Amino acid sequence: DTAVSQTPKYLVTQMGNDKSIKCEQNLGHDTMYWYKQDSKKFLKIMFSYNNKELIINETVPNRFSPKSPDKAHLNLHINSLELGDSAVYFCASSQNMWYEQYFGPGTRLTVT
Amino acid sequence: ELKVEQNPLFLSMQEGKNYTIYCNYSTTSDRLYWYRQDPGKSLESLFVLLSNGAVKQEGRLMASLDTKARLSTLHITAAVHDLSATYFCAGLTQGGSEKLVFGKGTKLTVNP
Repeated sequence: DTAVSQTPKYLVTQMGNDKSIKCEQNLGHDTMYWYKQDSKKFLKIMFSYNNKELIINETVPNRFSPKSPDKAHLNLHINSLELGDSAVYFCASSQNMWYEQYFGPGTRLTVT
Repeated sequence: ELKVEQNPLFLSMQEGKNYTIYCNYSTTSDRLYWYRQDPGKSLESLFVLLSNGAVKQEGRLMASLDTKARLSTLHITAAVHDLSATYFCAGLTQGGSEKLVFGKGTKLTVNP
């Protein structure tokens, strides 16, 4: 079984559309994260949740809205997609914020 | 604000040689993490260094942490082609909501 899974793996869409990425972890972890990796491979945290509660909300446009329906799931909804949103988005989870994080396979988002 | 700098950013080496990747960080960080990313893949946790003087080894990779110098190193011994990947170090911020701050990554290419 995959520890941290994301769907879809690839997402190609036009500017202005709304899309969602789903993430699930079966590790029993309390903390989940969303990261954005840009074309230069720079990795930056966007959000983190602990037991369904939003803990970190970096300087991310309001068009990005995370939702955690339960401890095992963290979804990312993006409204009004822009060209600059093209990146790889990684979901991750950890036992708590101090432990090593386990990353999902990533979702490559391309906005045309 | 925690800043993490890695060098070199690109490293091309021959099989059998030794080399070190350096990771400097700007403010106090209790923990230092090393991750590996293969092209088009997810991030895999390699080491978590918890205290000053910590040293961890796995195969041909050895990581160490000097909190006084705010420096972590990843030493590669007798490199093999399979070690070709991008290596990231990340520090954990302190106070408030802790988060990982990643370096830009070191792209390692091991040539036969």
